[in-house]
Amino acid sequence: AQSVTQLDSQVPVFEEAPVELRCNYSSSVSVYLFWYVQYPNQGLQLLLKYLSGSTLVKGINGFEAEFNKSQTSFHLRKPSVHISDTAEYFCAVNPRGNLFFGTGTRLTVIP
Amino acid sequence: DVKVTQSSRYLVKRTGEKVFLECVQDMDHENMFWYRQDPGLGLRLIYFSYDVKMKEKGDIPEGYSVSREKKERFSLILESASTNQTSMYLCASSLAGGGAGSQPQHFGDGTRLSIL
Repeated sequence: AQSVTQLDSQVPVFEEAPVELRCNYSSSVSVYLFWYVQYPNQGLQLLLKYLSGSTLVKGINGFEAEFNKSQTSFHLRKPSVHISDTAEYFCAVNPRGNLFFGTGTRLTVIP
Repeated sequence: DVKVTQSSRYLVKRTGEKVFLECVQDMDHENMFWYRQDPGLGLRLIYFSYDVKMKEKGDIPEGYSVSREKKERFSLILESASTNQTSMYLCASSLAGGGAGSQPQHFGDGTRLSIL
């Protein structure tokens, strides 16, 4: 069985500060890993994905994530956030079939 | 750019009504999905389809059915709407190919459905 845990439901951070959104997963098989972002009143957009190869993946809008197989984690980071990064962020895993989503982390950037 | 279009952004229906939610994608994707999104629960898969006229149950199919008569269109049907089906519904599509599950899903903007 697969599960995805996003450890923080809400993360407030000041503008231009760094941020890390945490994601841990469990799976009995190898998985593909994704981060999606949802801006208010919109659907989800793909931020980045890890399929194989380098464990550090870069995505859109200056975000990056690092896959850590031993810790089964895929944390999302940005060195300096902007007001426009305020949104909900979802981590998802795909064990060769369908996506399993975490419950989301609401990032609020404070001016 | 892939466009996934959901026919309504907001919908209000009454208990017991039969409700249709429509989704159309314009990129010839083989796979289509319906999710519901509830606060604190994330997204949960209702039904999915890997081909025309094909459908598979997801994690929470009870009270729902789907139809995929054409490749670009995937409809979600609430057979007899109930108040616990008030939610945000999201449609998504993806290519097949590559390793199964490797293709990202592209989402519509969602339909916020209220059942009174």
